Amino acid sequence: ETGVTQTPRHLVMGMTNKKSLKCEQHLGHNAMYWYKQSAKKPLELMFVYNFKEQTENNSVPSRFSPECPNSSHLFLHLHTLQPEDSALYLCASSQGGADEQFFGPGTRLTVL
Amino acid sequence: LAKTTQPISMDSYEGQEVNITCSHNNIATNDYITWYQQFPSQGPRFIIQGYKTKVTNEVASLFIPADRKSSTLSLPRVSLSDTAVYYCLVGDGGNTGKLIFGQGTTLQVKP
Repeated sequence: ETGVTQTPRHLVMGMTNKKSLKCEQHLGHNAMYWYKQSAKKPLELMFVYNFKEQTENNSVPSRFSPECPNSSHLFLHLHTLQPEDSALYLCASSQGGADEQFFGPGTRLTVL
Repeated sequence: LAKTTQPISMDSYEGQEVNITCSHNNIATNDYITWYQQFPSQGPRFIIQGYKTKVTNEVASLFIPADRKSSTLSLPRVSLSDTAVYYCLVGDGGNTGKLIFGQGTTLQVKP
């Protein structure tokens, strides 16, 4: 499989659940990103990882916990989310810096 | 990161050329100008990137004046499938990989 893949594509969870989003890139990139896109709002950058090290945390609440075990995989662990966290969560990868970012299809998350 | 301003929406007809202008008055010396396209419920897709003058690829052209305070994305002969949101982004002179998306321009192509 090529490009950036995300699983699951859809997720419904309660506020007390714990779940994880997975992103995998097959492009040999060194940087990976998490974005959040709420309805009718611009994409919001959440986290940036370069060479497995977190280089950006855009004031994201601690109920979102990223993990990057290697340059190809990125996780977003979710716990005690709120209904307002319902959104499309997008993963992207790039060679870093100003290089083109390749986005995955996203995970549509609904928090009940 | 420099703030960008672009029209919220635009309408066009199939076969026309569409020009979307973006203002970025506070662009830094080492910032690039990048445009992305996004269809509903999909991730954005890179269209074109430039630093100055004109850049052209198989999809679009990007015109950047000498002062770099604005840029224009030109889409030749649009089709219905070009209906999407187009984002203008300015950065990443610091090589942080940090992209700040604005509201974008929703382009509606009509038959």
